[in-house]
Amino acid sequence: DAKTTQPTSMDCAEGRAANLPCNHSTISGNEYVYWYRQIHSQGPQYIIHGLKNNETNEMASLIITEDRKSSTLILPHATLRDTAVYYCIVRVPSNDYKLSFGAGTTVTVRA
Amino acid sequence: DSGVTQTPKHLITATGQRVTLRCSPRSGDLSVYWYQQSLDQGLQFLIQYYNGEERAKGNILERFSAQQFPDLHSELNLSSLELGDSALYFCASTDSTELLGNTIYFGEGSWLTVV
Repeated sequence: DAKTTQPTSMDCAEGRAANLPCNHSTISGNEYVYWYRQIHSQGPQYIIHGLKNNETNEMASLIITEDRKSSTLILPHATLRDTAVYYCIVRVPSNDYKLSFGAGTTVTVRA
Repeated sequence: DSGVTQTPKHLITATGQRVTLRCSPRSGDLSVYWYQQSLDQGLQFLIQYYNGEERAKGNILERFSAQQFPDLHSELNLSSLELGDSALYFCASTDSTELLGNTIYFGEGSWLTVV
């Protein structure tokens, strides 16, 4: 699976958009980009995933660059409850669906 | 609520003992995964089962074992426990018959404290 690089931490003001970058320059053509988050000591929560097109759901938007070497997760209106560690993961589709988690980005939303 | 159920939520036991953690996957999910998260480490993949068969193995110690039963629930057995085994243990599930790019859903974890 391709390796990802994320900033260690970032702050965001409540009510503002939070833009979380992820670099995956070695991504291969059939790898998907997934985002998960983990609120303190809870189980990781799926947020969104995509292959090449931008995606949006009720939680967030995922913007993938045209060359697919980087992506940005956008939380449109951050709330205090969005404070969590956010993980960007890429993986090769196969019968083995395990996820490899890196260190992620610790996002702190401040009032 | 992800639909993945783990029991017990908290467990305190002594070194050298053996414990069993239980996981019920989402209804219809065939794959079960176990992850370990220690205080000073990230999420570490331990093992995956698919429809009762072991599918993939990660950094699982020989003192640990798992199985998936015909009703698809899974158990993670931890034996000869050491202080360093204190961690959060997560179970996750997915239905691998879904289209490529499907998601994995995690339970809320079992807190194991070894004293």
